[in-house]
Amino acid sequence: SQKIEQNSEALNIQEGKTATLTCNYTNYSPAYLQWYRQDPGRGPVFLLLIRENEKEKRKERLKVTFDTTLKQSLFHITASQPADSATYLCALLTYSGAGSYQLTFGKGTKLSVIP
Amino acid sequence: NAGVTQTPKFQVLKTGQSMTLQCAQDMNHNSMYWYRQDPGMGLRLIYYSASEGTTDKGEVPNGYNVSRLNKREFSLRLESAAPSQTSVYFCASSEALLPTYEQYFGPGTRLTVT
Repeated sequence: SQKIEQNSEALNIQEGKTATLTCNYTNYSPAYLQWYRQDPGRGPVFLLLIRENEKEKRKERLKVTFDTTLKQSLFHITASQPADSATYLCALLTYSGAGSYQLTFGKGTKLSVIP
Repeated sequence: NAGVTQTPKFQVLKTGQSMTLQCAQDMNHNSMYWYRQDPGMGLRLIYYSASEGTTDKGEVPNGYNVSRLNKREFSLRLESAAPSQTSVYFCASSEALLPTYEQYFGPGTRLTVT
């Protein structure tokens, strides 16, 4: 089965810097990859989706890259703000046959942006 | 729109008791999901329903049953609760069971089994 590793459980950065979070996976390459944000006591919220044939995707201050050779996705937040402090989850979707997709979430990286 | 709603928000059960977690969505989505989230384990899929009238097992279905009551509602039942089922349960929905569709999550139910 697919295994996902998010580089660290916690990441602290200074306000205004770029935060970079890593999602590594094993086994076969996923067709799609999603990133979610989760605040304490709340459900995850979708941020971005990237397809395997896309190298990069951007949304405002967010950027996601997808390298199927390295089996890795990087999630960047530029000009980070304290309001960006949250846990970020990556989720891999791989086709498991008969029209079904297997969805696997990483454990998440808790980002703290220090003023 | 309320999005995805879950009831109850908190629940404490004794071992062996049963209960049903309720989930409803008002976005006219076809697919619905139940996950559990444990510290250090990430989100794990329990059951999902691709469309009204169908349900399928996910990664950790043992000890649970589900019912897709109609297009809006998807319930999760614990027939005989065990301490290992202490967790936060999230319901989610998406337009369809395709990876290009984002999932919308509810606020969660925090369940403790003693």
